[in-house]
Amino acid sequence: AQKVTQAQTEISVVEKEDVTLDCVYETRDTTYYLFWYKQPPSGELVFLIRRNSFDEQNEISGRYSWNFQKSTSSFNFTITASQVVDSAVYFCALQGIIQGAQKLVFGQGTRLTINP
Amino acid sequence: DTEVTQTPKHLVMGMTNKKSLKCEQHMGHRAMYWYKQKAKKPPELMFVYSYEKLSINESVPSRFSPECPNSSLLNLHLHALQPEDSALYLCASSRTGEKLFFGSGTQLSVL
Repeated sequence: AQKVTQAQTEISVVEKEDVTLDCVYETRDTTYYLFWYKQPPSGELVFLIRRNSFDEQNEISGRYSWNFQKSTSSFNFTITASQVVDSAVYFCALQGIIQGAQKLVFGQGTRLTINP
Repeated sequence: DTEVTQTPKHLVMGMTNKKSLKCEQHMGHRAMYWYKQKAKKPPELMFVYSYEKLSINESVPSRFSPECPNSSLLNLHLHALQPEDSALYLCASSRTGEKLFFGSGTQLSVL
């Protein structure tokens, strides 16, 4: 079975602080994909990053960076110099192929609040 | 066009009503999905359509009936719902093996 654990239910920091959101996953698949999505109050899930299981290179996109460590089954997300607009619920997700179709399993989400 | 459009945005229905949720995309994606999201919970997969055929049904009650009339449209027909079915219903689409694009959802309230 596939499982994603986001142990941090809520995080609150002051603007300009760095913050890391943790994600740990479980899967028996050798090929899989990991994702981060952002869900602002408007409700839409906004895609942030997709990483396949064979690519352990860390990635940086502006103030966002991701650390994928297969040895610890973790895919953590760091926001540098946080801003109020970063306030949202962030979901880590694991994608496998079941019955020939993609199945995306989400973690419980981390509610991030950036205070001015 | 990189949007998934869902209508209506809000829906209130009684337990004896029949209603439908609609989802449309014009990105050429051949996989379409319905997810259900309760407040403060993650989205949960309900159905997956691949090339207009139902690929996954996550043991969803029969009062929810999906339909994929063509490669751009996905419907969710609702009948005899219960108050606990109140939730945000999210539609998504994707190319095979790639990221999902989500719509902004339909907020459903069952009275």
